[in-house]
Amino acid sequence: QLQLQESGPGLVKPSETLSLTCSVSGGSITSSSHYWGWIRQSPGKGLEWIGSIYYSGSTHHNPSLKSRATMSVDTSKKQFSLKLSSVTAADTAVYFCARHGYTYGALIPFDYWGQGNLVTVSS
Amino acid sequence: QSALTQPRSVSGSPGQSVTISCAGTSRDVGGYDYVSWYQQQPGKAPKLMISDVTKRPSGVPDRFSGSKSGNTASLTISGLQAEDEADYYCCSYAGSYTFVFGSGTKVTVL
Repeated sequence: QLQLQESGPGLVKPSETLSLTCSVSGGSITSSSHYWGWIRQSPGKGLEWIGSIYYSGSTHHNPSLKSRATMSVDTSKKQFSLKLSSVTAADTAVYFCARHGYTYGALIPFDYWGQGNLVTVSS
Repeated sequence: QSALTQPRSVSGSPGQSVTISCAGTSRDVGGYDYVSWYQQQPGKAPKLMISDVTKRPSGVPDRFSGSKSGNTASLTISGLQAEDEADYYCCSYAGSYTFVFGSGTKVTVL
């Protein structure tokens, strides 16, 4: 059974960089059909797709965050990471990692999720 | 990229049916048959309930069904049960390998 687990600091100071890692177990991170995504949820708010990365390093971003979000992947560790720069209180959220993908022209939805990592931006 | 519009809340008695709408544009919901629905219980990660507008993953009860007309997708829960009380989010592919989620709907079982 595929499992995803987020890890990272729970508190980040304003203007600093938020860093999170998602560890993948029970499956391959180098699947040709799958992307690895980041989604966040501000307190009491809805879900927001941040971006996704392929095992080759190819990335796709939410246009509203593109300039601040950087994603990377380490296939040897079966991990992928998110860095969000110049954070403000508005970036306080639970950050989820999730799997999705594309196969034979069809889209695979977000079918496996991590449990989420609350990150608070505060001095 | 604006969030898809969902009603803030819907409610129904056990056994009744409720429908949640998800309004988008021709650039997302209306442009692709790639709408998915997620159920989120308090403090938990979202769970996939419907994919590709109408497909139910294995293990999802058949009282959950999805549809789409034009730029609006819908999730219907028939035969509402107490355990269906949760937040529900739609999600649509928006082209160029991007996604947009809905604003979320709280389902209350009276």
